[in-house]
Amino acid sequence: GDSVTQMEGPVTLSEEACLTINCTYTATGYPSLFWYVQYPGEGLQLLLKATKADDKGSNKGFEATYRKETTSFHLEKGSVQVSDSAVYFCALSLSTGNQFYFGTGTSLTVIP
Amino acid sequence: NAGVTQTPKFRILKIGQSMTLQCTQDMNHNYMYWYRQDPGMGLKLIYYSVGAGITDKGEVPNGYNVSRSTTEDFPLRLELAAPSQTSVYFCASSPKADYYEQYFGPGTRLTVT
Repeated sequence: GDSVTQMEGPVTLSEEACLTINCTYTATGYPSLFWYVQYPGEGLQLLLKATKADDKGSNKGFEATYRKETTSFHLEKGSVQVSDSAVYFCALSLSTGNQFYFGTGTSLTVIP
Repeated sequence: NAGVTQTPKFRILKIGQSMTLQCTQDMNHNYMYWYRQDPGMGLKLIYYSVGAGITDKGEVPNGYNVSRSTTEDFPLRLELAAPSQTSVYFCASSPKADYYEQYFGPGTRLTVT
């Protein structure tokens, strides 16, 4: 079935370090892919998205490229800040369905 | 812009009690969803709706009921609360599935003791 597999955490980085959070997917059709972020005590909010192969989503210094050949959508940031500490969720949706599929989330803590 | 609102923010229930979690959106979205998030886990879909009068089960519907009488409201009913229903509940809405994002409410933290 359709699913998202996400790199397990927790991840702890020093400020200004590089970040990569891996996400791979399984889908029967042509999904749209998303990264959501959840700050402590809050709901999820969209960070970025890509709707077709080779698209790159970007926002707040984060980037992710939709790679159909490797069925991946890894989240990257070149220099993390303390304010990036949050839980990050990879997700997909299909044009043929009514549901979103979320990964299990990766907790990121950035220390000064 | 209120977006998606949820009430209450927190609730403690005794085993066997019932309650309704309220969810309202003001974006005229057709699609609405209820998820639960257990500690350290991802989101699990409980129920969803593609429009007023239409609801369907998600991955973990047992112990819950929903209704969708209007576009704006999508309440989640817990009957006979059990400790296994201790979780954080999120409501979300979307104009459609496919490539549209979901907009989430702030969540309801429920404890059943």
